[in-house]
Amino acid sequence: DTEVTQTPKHLVMGMTNKKSLKCEQHMGHRAMYWYKQKAKKPPELMFVYSYEKLSINESVPSRFSPECPNSSLLNLHLHALQPEDSALYLCASSQDRRYSNQPQHFGDGTRLSIL
Amino acid sequence: SQQGEEDPQALSIQEGENATMNCSYKTSINNLQWYRQNSGRGLVHLILIRSNEREKHSGRLRVTLDTSKKSSSLLITASRAADTASYFCATDVGTGNQFYFGTGTSLTVIP
Repeated sequence: DTEVTQTPKHLVMGMTNKKSLKCEQHMGHRAMYWYKQKAKKPPELMFVYSYEKLSINESVPSRFSPECPNSSLLNLHLHALQPEDSALYLCASSQDRRYSNQPQHFGDGTRLSIL
Repeated sequence: SQQGEEDPQALSIQEGENATMNCSYKTSINNLQWYRQNSGRGLVHLILIRSNEREKHSGRLRVTLDTSKKSSSLLITASRAADTASYFCATDVGTGNQFYFGTGTSLTVIP
């Protein structure tokens, strides 16, 4: 079992739908991350939150909208996605990104399919 | 945004053999980490080596780092079928625990 919980595990949505991915951790970590992973590829960083504030946006299209309502929760709001957005979306957390030499803890991801 | 290249892309060995995978990266790093990903699952942290370290061990894992060559290797000794997974190196660059993952090595251990 992972210490980072992502819901839902699978999501199928049309291009006009609005949906949200959720991520939760109770390890007291103050840094949280969203990654996108296509099949047989490495994870690609999308967003980084530090102390509930957005620190990094890796030029992600605006149809992806992150939100960090508190230190334990991270959401990714989806709207008007394209078929190429189908992927595994991974959430991760680490203790405090002000310091190096920390591992990241990953959830098992949400597998997203866009019809 | 991809920082590292790994080789081989795929590796198939018999149970009990050793597996070695290599990672090369492009810029200076704070540290390098190795992660394992089982099919359909998230990534699991295996080991972290700091930029001023040359070798590190953890159980059956041995990691080396050569900053002059910008490369690292992961050795898994006495492999088991349960080691079958994809392995990624991740380089921590700049400030703030920000990772870029290598291309990955798919390891298959045949019982």
